[in-house]
Amino acid sequence: EIVMTQSPATLSVSPGERATLSCRASQSVSSNLAWYQQKPGQAPRLLIYGASTRATGIPARFSGSGSGTEFTLTISSLQSEDFAVYYCQQYDNWPPLTFGGGTKVEIK
Amino acid sequence: QLQLQESGPGLVKPSETLSLTCTVSAGSISSSNYYWGWIRQPPGKGLEWIGSIYYSGSTYYNASLKSRVTISVDTSKNQFSLKLSSVTAADTAVYYCARHTIRLGDDYWGQGTLVTVSS
Repeated sequence: EIVMTQSPATLSVSPGERATLSCRASQSVSSNLAWYQQKPGQAPRLLIYGASTRATGIPARFSGSGSGTEFTLTISSLQSEDFAVYYCQQYDNWPPLTFGGGTKVEIK
Repeated sequence: QLQLQESGPGLVKPSETLSLTCTVSAGSISSSNYYWGWIRQPPGKGLEWIGSIYYSGSTYYNASLKSRVTISVDTSKNQFSLKLSSVTAADTAVYYCARHTIRLGDDYWGQGTLVTVSS
């Protein structure tokens, strides 16, 4: 099983600032990695797939990078609606599909 | 726009079987590029993949739950279902159904349904 590890667990950021979230895989997942945003009481929403491709309707301030075992999600200028929990998921080698533990982005 | 909707009891007794159905609308479950899956989230915790099914009936399960999980598909009703047997309080969670697109991820999700295991 591929273990996904996200850091930090919590990120405190002021509106308008840049946020950088990390995700590490226990073995290479190539570029088969997705990022999701989850707000309280809502289902996760796909933000990024293929490590760097924005899903339909996702603003350009969200960008993903990386390949192999190290991945980054960057939110260039945080808006109020971006404060949420973010999860990475590998879909390179499954079953099982595996998620990271999440990073909570909170208002500083 | 594709929609997924979970349905089923919100309360299940310990040792019984949890049963949920996901109804897919505005799209066919019988498409070759998609898997249909179940993911759960215990209160205040992260996401756990339970398993997925292809429209042909091929199933893929999380090894940690495999002995208790059955996922099935009914293409005539455009639905797929989850059964989780011998539940305990540790199975209390929000259960989501989702579409997994090959090389893309889980692009459509249901709203989720809270299932509580309690006597």
